[in-house]
Amino acid sequence: AQSVSQHNHHVILSEAASLELGCNYSYGGTVNLFWYVQYPGQHLQLLLKYFSGDPLVKGIKGFEAEFIKSKFSFNLRKPSVQWSDTAEYFCAVTPASNFGNEKLTFGTGTRLTIIP
Amino acid sequence: GAVVSQHPSRVICKSGTSVKIECRSLDFQATTMFWYRQFPKQSLMLMATSNEGSKATYEQGVEKDKFLINHASLTLSTLTVTSAHPEDSSFYICSAAGFRYGYTFGSGTRLTVV
Repeated sequence: AQSVSQHNHHVILSEAASLELGCNYSYGGTVNLFWYVQYPGQHLQLLLKYFSGDPLVKGIKGFEAEFIKSKFSFNLRKPSVQWSDTAEYFCAVTPASNFGNEKLTFGTGTRLTIIP
Repeated sequence: GAVVSQHPSRVICKSGTSVKIECRSLDFQATTMFWYRQFPKQSLMLMATSNEGSKATYEQGVEKDKFLINHASLTLSTLTVTSAHPEDSSFYICSAAGFRYGYTFGSGTRLTVV
């Protein structure tokens, strides 16, 4: 079974700082990877996803993530954060072989707090 | 993009009563829907996988007789919390899987059992 680790539980940054949130997964086969964001009081929204192809994926709101297969990682990055990026960020993985029928496995989440 | 509508967004019920939560995929067909539960400041925990026209597959530790799931059509899945108790109070989220859109989440239902 697959698993996801997010080692940063709470990250606090000042506005304009650069961001990198770690995500490592464990699975023996090909995977699809996702980053979701949950703003305070709101539902999960997809930031970006990786299915195949270019391992550097660009998402909404200036976020990007790089899939490094050798490291089983899919870290989320943003060069300059804004106060509005304050939210909970979840990395998720699912086996690629049976997409749509397999569950998404989530990491424990990283709370990001941006200080104005 | 894909939209998943979840209703109601908030519900308060008395202990011992049942509550039904609906999850609809509005502009795509979802053969598979997922039901999650999220405790405060924690990650989403999968409760069950719902397939259209068949019985749901429950995760270990989830009581299937308490959390009844029905996936009657390709656009509708329902979760019924039966004989609710205060410990069932939580945030319930559904997700629908579509090939083009990946996994789309509903806005969630906050259940409070008093």
